[in-house]
Amino acid sequence: EAGVTQFPSHSVIEKGQTVTLRCDPISGHDNLYWYRRVMGKEIKFLLHFVKESKQDESGMPNNRFLAERTGGTYSTLKVQPAELEDSGVYFCASSRTGWDEQYFGPGTRLTVT
Amino acid sequence: AQSVTQLDSQVPVFEEAPVELRCNYSSSVSVYLFWYVQYPNQGLQLLLKYLSGSTLVESINGFEAEFNKSQTSFHLRKPSVHISDTAEYFCAVSFSGGYQKVTFGIGTKLQVIP
Repeated sequence: EAGVTQFPSHSVIEKGQTVTLRCDPISGHDNLYWYRRVMGKEIKFLLHFVKESKQDESGMPNNRFLAERTGGTYSTLKVQPAELEDSGVYFCASSRTGWDEQYFGPGTRLTVT
Repeated sequence: AQSVTQLDSQVPVFEEAPVELRCNYSSSVSVYLFWYVQYPNQGLQLLLKYLSGSTLVESINGFEAEFNKSQTSFHLRKPSVHISDTAEYFCAVSFSGGYQKVTFGIGTKLQVIP
């Protein structure tokens, strides 16, 4: 069974540009989560999808971040326009139900210069 | 406020020595507790968890953690570390029950020295 995959593994963009991160969950997992770790800080929850619906988006930092999960399969997280403070590692996780273990992807390291 | 504190950002330890990674949390409600590990260039993996029952939980690779409700702690221990244990370890707490919306600590880098 393939694990959670994320693309790209690393992205370097300039301030003001747009970046889209992608997460492919484990097949059959209805729950998909996004987390972010800013350097030297905690991993912080961003949002939670159940299928294509946003169950909890309380961790999204501001309206420059847009997450989608069309069709309830893969998810994208778009940052537009990117700011310096958006740099960090973005993790995606998935689980079969909201009460099951979350399986994490390797993360996407975003560097905004 | 609900929070998770890992007091040590880095812990160097010689191979075959014991290690303890500390984790404290702040909560007035019941919690579920987890330790995750991130090996170099890999994603986070669940190492062990406390949901209910016995306060001492163990992983398959020799780590153990004990839930101490009175001290609100969930320290991770291993009696003898191996080079392959070099990784970053994250304490995490679910304040809402289950695995949803997990709150992580800042992480502790364990460096095992040959």
